[in-house]
Amino acid sequence: GQSLEQPSEVTAVEGAIVQINCTYQTSGFYGLSWYQQHDGGAPTFLSYNALDGLEETGRFSSFLSRSDSYGYLLLQELQMKDSASYFCAVRRSSASKIIFGSGTRLSIRP
Amino acid sequence: DVKVTQSSRYLVKRTGEKVFLECVQDMDHENMFWYRQDPGLGLRLIYFSYDVKMKEKGDIPEGYSVSREKKERFSLILESASTNQTSMYLCASTSPRGGRSYEQYFGPGTRLTVT
Repeated sequence: GQSLEQPSEVTAVEGAIVQINCTYQTSGFYGLSWYQQHDGGAPTFLSYNALDGLEETGRFSSFLSRSDSYGYLLLQELQMKDSASYFCAVRRSSASKIIFGSGTRLSIRP
Repeated sequence: DVKVTQSSRYLVKRTGEKVFLECVQDMDHENMFWYRQDPGLGLRLIYFSYDVKMKEKGDIPEGYSVSREKKERFSLILESASTNQTSMYLCASTSPRGGRSYEQYFGPGTRLTVT
């Protein structure tokens, strides 16, 4: 079957660093994406990894290990506005077909 | 900026009604998608379309159909709404041009309640 596993909830302190892990098992793999969704809002794209390694975009970084079917999103210098749900998603074909994980709700404490 | 709009933010329908959810994007994207989002289940793909009049089933197409008569518009149809179709429906679009087809742009969503 096809599945993506990520923690349902994570809590962290403002200013700290948090890592959200994602493991996947899918038929077909072109890359791993991360999306952010605030309550009541639409998902917005954060990052994409097609190759092994770390991609950095400001305070956010994303990592992929294809051999381990594993990736993570790293958020640094956490801010209260980072409180949201984060979804990992596997791109299964060149035609943009994506399967999403069930999401990780990140709560930030002052 | 890419803009994806959906016809309604909230919709209440009765069991057995035919329901139309409309999605329009203004960036000339070829690919459009319909997802439903339920707590603990993430986003699940219902249908997608690569081009006008082209459609392909996603992971949960049962009870739904779609229509794409114009490139900018992708409609989701519930032929006979049922209570288990109460959900948040999200439309998304992307383009294979420019090498960023992995980046999907989402509309604000339609929260559908079927009573």
